[in-house]
Amino acid sequence: GAVVSQHPSRVICKSGTSVKIECRSLDFQATTMFWYRQFPKQSLMLMATSNEGSKATYEQGVEKDKFLINHASLTLSTLTVTSAHPEDSSFYICSAKRQGPYQETQYFGPGTRLLVL
Amino acid sequence: GQSLEQPSEVTAVEGAIVQINCTYQTSGFYGLSWYQQHDGGAPTFLSYNALDGLEETGRFSSFLSRSDSYGYLLLQELQMKDSASYFCAVGLLGSARQLTFGSGTQLTVLP
Repeated sequence: GAVVSQHPSRVICKSGTSVKIECRSLDFQATTMFWYRQFPKQSLMLMATSNEGSKATYEQGVEKDKFLINHASLTLSTLTVTSAHPEDSSFYICSAKRQGPYQETQYFGPGTRLLVL
Repeated sequence: GQSLEQPSEVTAVEGAIVQINCTYQTSGFYGLSWYQQHDGGAPTFLSYNALDGLEETGRFSSFLSRSDSYGYLLLQELQMKDSASYFCAVGLLGSARQLTFGSGTQLTVLP
C-alpha cells in the first residue's frame, strides 16, 4: 500500500510555543491531504482538508488562525499549531488521497502525539 | 449533517466470528470504508463498499446495503492481534471525498 509519513512522531512543548507537523506522501502524489485530531478513546475528527496550491478548507469549529495548514507541493502538507495550549494536546493524524476521481482509499500517516505543558 | 452509529465494545474468543454493525445517516453518500486502529497507532484501511453486497478480503469481509443505510464488518477466525478499534467511515460526494468516521468499536479477543 501507499506510504505516508509524519514528522515528528511525538513532541512536547511549552505553552505558548508553535509546533509544526509535516505530512509526506512517499510514493505517490496527493493533491488532497486531510488533518485529523483524535483524543484518547475517541474517534478521528476531521480538522481540515488541505489542497495543493490553494487554501485549506477548515471544518466548523476549527480555528484557521490557530491551525495553519500549508500544502506547498504534491507530497507535503504541514500543520502548524500556533501558540499551543494544554488543551491542544492530542494525537494529530494526516492522511493522503491518491489522485483520481474514484479513489476512496485514504492512506494515513503514523500520527504525531503532541503534549503541551 | 452526518452521523454514524456502531457498538462501542465487542468481546469474542479466539477462532470465533464477530460482526460489527454500522448504521449511518448522511447526505451525498459515496461509500462505506472500514479502518482498524491499534492503541497508539494510525488507522489502517481494511475494506471499502460503494455498491450493495459483500466484499471479501481474507479473514475480513464487509457488507453494505445502501437502501438500509447499513453496513457491517465481519471478522472470521479471530486472532489475538485483531484486538483493536474498528471504525466505519462514510465517504461523501464532493470534490475532496472527505471521510466522516464513526465513534469506533473496541474489539477485545480473549484466549
